[in-house]
Amino acid sequence: QLQLVQSGSEVKKPGASVKISCKASNYTFTSFGVSWVRQAPGQGLEWMGWISGNNGKTKYAQTLQGRVTMTTDPSTETAFVELRSLRSDDTAVYYCARSPVFLPSRDAFDIWGQGTVVTVS
Amino acid sequence: VLTQPPSVSVAPGQTATITCGADDISTRSVHWYQKKAGQAPLLVMQFDSDRPPGISQRFSGSNLGNTATLTITRVAAGDEADYYCQVWDSRGDHLGVFGGGTKVTVL
Repeated sequence: QLQLVQSGSEVKKPGASVKISCKASNYTFTSFGVSWVRQAPGQGLEWMGWISGNNGKTKYAQTLQGRVTMTTDPSTETAFVELRSLRSDDTAVYYCARSPVFLPSRDAFDIWGQGTVVTVS
Repeated sequence: VLTQPPSVSVAPGQTATITCGADDISTRSVHWYQKKAGQAPLLVMQFDSDRPPGISQRFSGSNLGNTATLTITRVAAGDEADYYCQVWDSRGDHLGVFGGGTKVTVL
């Protein structure tokens, strides 16, 4: 079935970096994009950014500009998010979600990864 | 900014109404996600009022003026969750935006 499978939990110290992967299955990776969304403990969903699976174009949330980089490896149908200079308030569950391949778009996030817990301590 | 009520309480079998407010939100497509603890978000309504495959007919949506609405009829215990609305902000850099979320409690 259509799915996104994410890498496992991470524990990092403040100031370190983390890189999470998200592997797509059973759909054409280059026909869609991937958004990254996180949820800190007790908080709501926060959109972090988007990357096109077709041309690698990106858009990032203004609050994360300069600390976040999203990439893809089409050969393995995998998307990655790297977050640098980690702080305690980056502790969250990070999700990838299938997204439109190009922006602007009105499409929804229709398939989600299982989530990756990142603890900064 | 998408404004949602923090919480909605509803008795089993009754109707839950969750709102998502923003200026001229009716000009944008609104999507709704159900988020249960320990689970990934689930798309329950897309493009204002289109149910994805597998979503119960008890879920319906509308979008008019400055308010989008997700309605759940005949609410059951399994509907207890946080619900988030989402749009793409077409006025700026086409960034994704979520509402603050609404906790639906089944009494």
